[in-house]
Amino acid sequence: EIVMTQSPATLSVSPGERATLSCRASQSVSSNLAWYQQKPGQAPRLLIYGASTRATAIPARFSGSGSGTEFTLTISSLQSEDFAVYYCQQYTNWPLTFGGGTKVEIK
Amino acid sequence: QVQLVESGGGVVQPGRSLRLSCAASGFTFSRNDMHWVRQAPGKGLEWVAIISYDGSDKNYADSVKGRFTISRDHSKNTLFLQMNSLRVEDTAVYYCAKGGNWFDPWGQGTLVTVSS
Repeated sequence: EIVMTQSPATLSVSPGERATLSCRASQSVSSNLAWYQQKPGQAPRLLIYGASTRATAIPARFSGSGSGTEFTLTISSLQSEDFAVYYCQQYTNWPLTFGGGTKVEIK
Repeated sequence: QVQLVESGGGVVQPGRSLRLSCAASGFTFSRNDMHWVRQAPGKGLEWVAIISYDGSDKNYADSVKGRFTISRDHSKNTLFLQMNSLRVEDTAVYYCAKGGNWFDPWGQGTLVTVSS
């Protein structure tokens, strides 16, 4: 099983600032990586797939990068609606696995 | 628009069974792979099972293999998860999701609580 590790667990950021979230895979997943956003009481929402392709209707301030074992989700200028938990997920091997999440909170 | 609506959750004793449903609309259900993903209270996401668009292929997480069965009914545009021999650690919100390698979109989830 591929283990996905996200860091930091919690990120405190002021509105308007940049947020950089990291995701590391225990073995190469090529570019087979997705990112999700989850707000309290809601289902997750797909943000990024293929490591860097934004899903439909996702604002351009969200960007993904990386390949192999190291990935980054960047939110260029945090808006109030972006404070949430973010998960990465690999789809190279079964079982599909998620990282433990990074909570982005208001500083 | 695409809509997924789960139902069937509730409180059940350890060892008992429960069947979850996911009603799909707004897309061609019979042409899409479907998943179940769960989230224990206050915890992260865990993929549970996938069924191929035609129902011919299924795959399960080791934690549920042999106890859970995923299925689909194209005449009703509905996805199912039959959960047998439930354990306390199966307590979670269960989401259905459309997709092959990634999940998009997700339903709102249904809560399953396994407790004596």
